[in-house]
Amino acid sequence: NAGVTQTPKFQVLKTGQSMTLQCAQDMNHEYMSWYRQDPGMGLRLIHYSVGAGITDQGEVPNGYNVSRSTTEDFPLRLLSAAPSQTSVYFCASSPLRVGGGYTFGSGTRLTVV
Amino acid sequence: AQTVTQSQPEMSVQEAETVTLSCTYDTSESNYYLFWYKQPPSRQMILVIRQEAYKQQNATENRFSVNFQKAAKSFSLKISDSQLGDTAMYFCAFMRLTGTASKLTFGTGTRLQVTL
Repeated sequence: NAGVTQTPKFQVLKTGQSMTLQCAQDMNHEYMSWYRQDPGMGLRLIHYSVGAGITDQGEVPNGYNVSRSTTEDFPLRLLSAAPSQTSVYFCASSPLRVGGGYTFGSGTRLTVV
Repeated sequence: AQTVTQSQPEMSVQEAETVTLSCTYDTSESNYYLFWYKQPPSRQMILVIRQEAYKQQNATENRFSVNFQKAAKSFSLKISDSQLGDTAMYFCAFMRLTGTASKLTFGTGTRLQVTL
């Protein structure tokens, strides 16, 4: 049981480049979400999804796109990378039932130069 | 909107001693969950303890316990018999109690250093 798998673990991008952070879970969780972690700011919600075909914005959605074509996968796309998007990104999943605990991926450290 | 405040950016404790990390939150909800997560240098987010707001009894998990004061909107974490492996960033988090999974709102974190 792999849990939540994020790839890559590290990435360096040039300003203006695009890329996709991958997230996959094998627990049949309906709820998936992306957070970014910045020093002194905790984790902030970027986008989330309550099931295939359903996504919604979180607290800091600008510059990011998501889609949810299957229950297992929830990729995060950076359309045109900016230095302000340098951060550590976490994907998390949870059962949809109330009180279901979150399972986090191991994170992706992204640097935009 | 809910907010979570951790007023201690850094703390230090000697091995085998007890330390308390503070967390306050602001919400108009009456039913919700509160969590403490641990993030060691490996970066992995690990659930330490969970409290359901409608339960008056404070949650306990081995050396970790909470002091939940609902009226004061306070949720502190006590770590007893501190170990070197407890060195980590600790995040307090809030979740509304709804019929389905809900967003987690995190505090800014407290960096705990356990020393010999």
